[in-house]
Amino acid sequence: GAVVSQHPSRVICKSGTSVKIECRSLDFQATTMFWYRQFPKQSLMLMATSNEGSKATYEQGVEKDKFLINHASLTLSTLTVTSAHPEDSSFYICSARDPGGGTQYFGPGTRLTVL
Amino acid sequence: GQNIDQPTEMTATEGAIVQINCTYQTSGFNGLFWYQQHAGEAPTFLSYNVLDGLEEKGRFSSFLSRSKGYSYLLLKELQMKDSASYLCALRQAGTALIFGKGTTLSVSS
Repeated sequence: GAVVSQHPSRVICKSGTSVKIECRSLDFQATTMFWYRQFPKQSLMLMATSNEGSKATYEQGVEKDKFLINHASLTLSTLTVTSAHPEDSSFYICSARDPGGGTQYFGPGTRLTVL
Repeated sequence: GQNIDQPTEMTATEGAIVQINCTYQTSGFNGLFWYQQHAGEAPTFLSYNVLDGLEEKGRFSSFLSRSKGYSYLLLKELQMKDSASYLCALRQAGTALIFGKGTTLSVSS
């Protein structure tokens, strides 16, 4: 299947700092990527839809000024958690839809811990 | 809006067959997906149904009835490594997947 990578896989930061997470589709072009968040023992919650060359679409309750999304190319989307706080500690997972088959593939995830 | 229901937990023994059900309500339907997720890892794709019927892929099969808002994932010849969470996900007219809460399957010897 298609490969989606994420970097970094794990990050620990101090409260108040910003963290950038990269999501890349390695063997296909993705005009649309998705960002999810997963808290322990809970399911994946869609945060936003990232569209190449245009503004991201955020789900209700997700602060667009706190979670900045940039989809500058057909293979790269970035999520920046600004002024991170301990409650932002979570597992952040991106995904991209294979335009040929329609299947959505997930990156390996980034575990963020805010101290 | 949409609503997805699946059992929270299931247990089974090695070699057995287990069926994980998923019921849903949605205003628009564009496919139903099943993913497997091991603890601390990202989900991996298992199957996709957009038409009614059974899709078989090795030890895994998935069934869909759109009129009933119902799907199931069937796992045969269970192995210990199948212990994981199984996520049912809907795709509406847009492209994002909306996930159910997941079913944690524990396989014992």
